[in-house]
Amino acid sequence: DTGVSQDPRHKITKRGQNVTFRCDPISEHNRLYWYRQTLGQGPEFLTYFQNEAQLEKSRLLSDRFSAERPKGSFSTLEIQRTEQGDSAMYLCASSLDGTRDEQYFGPGTRLTVT
Amino acid sequence: AQSVTQLGSHVSVSEGALVLLRCNYSSSVPPYLFWYVQYPNQGLQLLLKYTTGATLVKGINGFEAEFKKSETSFHLTKPSAHMSDAAEYFCAVSKAAGNKLTFGGGTRVLVKP
Repeated sequence: DTGVSQDPRHKITKRGQNVTFRCDPISEHNRLYWYRQTLGQGPEFLTYFQNEAQLEKSRLLSDRFSAERPKGSFSTLEIQRTEQGDSAMYLCASSLDGTRDEQYFGPGTRLTVT
Repeated sequence: AQSVTQLGSHVSVSEGALVLLRCNYSSSVPPYLFWYVQYPNQGLQLLLKYTTGATLVKGINGFEAEFKKSETSFHLTKPSAHMSDAAEYFCAVSKAAGNKLTFGGGTRVLVKP
């Protein structure tokens, strides 16, 4: 069990560019979650998947944000036309299934929009 | 909607002293409660959780928390602080197993020698 991994760990981009982050959950974990954490704040929920189905999206997830989990394994989070307010740590977590409550977090991707 | 309030964004304790981090929540249903720890530039690690059953929950690294329904609280304690406890701590709530977590704003703990 190698834990949740995220790539890249750091991303610096210019305003207006598109960025994509990847999350690989723990093997056999069916649920995958995305959170966003800004400096000095707690993580905020963005969206989550049960296998390949996206079950819930936060209103924080504007139309510039899209997340996929095409084969029910890894997930990608894309931000289009980035804005400075998108600068944050993007955290991914996974859990075994909907009956288990423990979410395991990855190290995060830190996005800086200049 | 659920919410979590952590009193005190920063706490300073001496090594060997009691650590007490406060968490109050609001929830329309019986909550699932969690404490996570985050070390610099790392993801979150689960310290302990309450789902059902015994209201005093023991976690890793000597931490424990008590669920008090009447006070809507889930305070985290450790009898004797260690330098390695310096980190940020987050209380979180969810309304069911596998659901999204709602986090508090976090409490940063500084341990003085």
